[in-house]
Amino acid sequence: GDSVTQMEGPVTLSEEAFLTINCTYTATGYPSLFWYVQYPGEGLQLLLKATKADDKGSNKGFEATYRKETTSFHLEKGSVQVSDSAVYFCALSAITGANSKLTFGKGITLSVRP
Amino acid sequence: GAGVSQSPRYKVAKRGQDVALRCDPISGHVSLFWYQQALGQGPEFLTYFQNEAQLDKSGLPSDRFFAERPEGSVSTLKIQRTQQEDSAVYLCASRKQGAGNTEAFFGQGTRLTVV
Repeated sequence: GDSVTQMEGPVTLSEEAFLTINCTYTATGYPSLFWYVQYPGEGLQLLLKATKADDKGSNKGFEATYRKETTSFHLEKGSVQVSDSAVYFCALSAITGANSKLTFGKGITLSVRP
Repeated sequence: GAGVSQSPRYKVAKRGQDVALRCDPISGHVSLFWYQQALGQGPEFLTYFQNEAQLDKSGLPSDRFFAERPEGSVSTLKIQRTQQEDSAVYLCASRKQGAGNTEAFFGQGTRLTVV
């Protein structure tokens, strides 16, 4: 079945540091890929997405590129802020069928210190 | 309201008790999903509705779990004879369309603790 693997956490960075969070996936067909973020006390929010190979999703300074050859969707940000402290989930959705349910990775906690 | 609303936010149940968790999706959203998120894990799919039709319930862990959406809007997830392993955050998400990959909007979840 479909699965998503995220790097182990937690991750602690200083403000303005470079961030990479690795995500790889296993899926049949050509899934859409997502990064969701959960800020403290809030629900899951879509951060960015990519729906086909070589697409780059971007939002709030975060970027991720859909790499079909390496089945990866790594999240990057050039300069993190304290407000980026949150839990980040990589997810995929099968492109076929009415039920485009999301398959999530375990999530990784990012803490950014001033 | 503007977003997906879930109630209660927190529920403590004694083992063996039945519980009902409510989800109010965004008005007009066709698709509704339930997910279960254990501590330290990502959300896992439970079931999917398109309007009032439950099209996929493959993720429900046992026959103690039951979900309904009788009028195609509000949904209720019911867990009968709760067990300690049912302790988790239950998330509801809604999406405007049926098929396709438009954005799914999540509620804040209901944290269920079975003691």
